Amino acid sequence: SAVISQKPSRDICQRGTSLTIQCQVDSQVTMMFWYRQQPGQSLTLIATANQGSEATYESGFVIDKFPISRPNLTFSTLTVSNMSPEDSSIYLCSVDRDTQYFGPGTRLTVL
Amino acid sequence: GENVGLHLPTLSVQEGDNSIINCAYSNSASDYFIWYKQESGKGPQFIIDIRSNMDKRQGQRVTVLLNKTVKHLSLQIAATQPGDSAVYFCAEIIPTGRRALTFGSGTRLQVQP
Repeated sequence: SAVISQKPSRDICQRGTSLTIQCQVDSQVTMMFWYRQQPGQSLTLIATANQGSEATYESGFVIDKFPISRPNLTFSTLTVSNMSPEDSSIYLCSVDRDTQYFGPGTRLTVL
Repeated sequence: GENVGLHLPTLSVQEGDNSIINCAYSNSASDYFIWYKQESGKGPQFIIDIRSNMDKRQGQRVTVLLNKTVKHLSLQIAATQPGDSAVYFCAEIIPTGRRALTFGSGTRLQVQP
């Protein structure tokens, strides 16, 4: 298994601001992923973050809006930039080990 | 609590009954499938997985069935308990190398004591 933590666990932000979410895993992993879960919805992949290369974004998600860092094999950040109320969601990181494990999520509310 | 699964289909069962949660997956090339349980305010928790070369896999109180002909996955929970109340998602991996998950829409399971 994997032990994954995220910071912050929740936040309330003003529109136009940015928030950086941190994801820490207990041991090294090659692949980390960032997902979004809008209210009442399922999870949608934002991007894949591999150490030493640019993140790979899914259709509908762009680097300017969701810049990602992956400085080492245990850590990644996702920034939600220039936020609007439509960005209110749960943001989740996951890692691929023997299977895929998820962090507890960051619950973002944009006013 | 969180609004996870607010608009999802709901399965309501009595405590002690067996539950069956169904999922239709999207891609016939998918070779790996996972069931997750998500409780309010938490991230998805791994329950059980199955590879496409199998049609059944059993865990503790849970069984996953895979029907590749009709692209259907089911999760059976035996002797359902109130602690099983949550939203359940199936997810598939398409063998592109990235191992990213595509999630189903989810089902809320409500267990009546």
